[in-house]
Amino acid sequence: DTEVTQTPKHLVMGMTNKKSLKCEQHMGHRAMYWYKQKAKKPPELMFVYSYEKLSINESVPSRFSPECPNSSLLNLHLHALQPEDSALYLCASSQHRDRSYEQYFGPGTRLTVT
Amino acid sequence: DQQVKQNSPSLSVQEGRISILNCDYTNSMFDYFLWYKKYPAEGPTFLISISSIKDKNEDGRFTVFLNKSAKHLSLHIVPSQPGDSAVYFCAVSGSSNTGKLIFGQGTTLQVKP
Repeated sequence: DTEVTQTPKHLVMGMTNKKSLKCEQHMGHRAMYWYKQKAKKPPELMFVYSYEKLSINESVPSRFSPECPNSSLLNLHLHALQPEDSALYLCASSQHRDRSYEQYFGPGTRLTVT
Repeated sequence: DQQVKQNSPSLSVQEGRISILNCDYTNSMFDYFLWYKKYPAEGPTFLISISSIKDKNEDGRFTVFLNKSAKHLSLHIVPSQPGDSAVYFCAVSGSSNTGKLIFGQGTTLQVKP
């Protein structure tokens, strides 16, 4: 099983809502990532978790709050988002953080903030 | 300022011919380079990588070439197949154990039957 699953596929939320994005992998990977991808742009790293601990936060606004409850799950909690936060949110995992380990990506959650 | 640049937004080639996708980077400290492929409605998929100690790495129809002095890498696909039609991203890593990748803008490859 080399699959990273993400739910929901699509999400529409208002600026005062609280919602969460979920990511799951069962490959035994110990590193997990959140990326943001705007239209016609490359994926941009947001957060890296290694062994369930946050190791990189790319100066992401606090309205995005990541959580890694166990080695298979990664959540991204959203609160008071802005319309410019509308994007494709990609989750990825790799065996370890080291770059020699391939990152496997999920299909993404398409988020629209109204 | 873009640290990784793919200057060609799109490329169209005939089936069976060679596809050459190019990527330039600005920081000479980058020492590990990767190519990912992305189909619509899917996440990126790893294709091939190369370390700065090499200048070529080959995997089946895919070959990546690295020119460190020019800070340039390229992906060659030979022969190209219609199923290769996708967006191709180059990515760089500057540090061995952070997991951080920096992606280029992507090149959309269309392989015509």
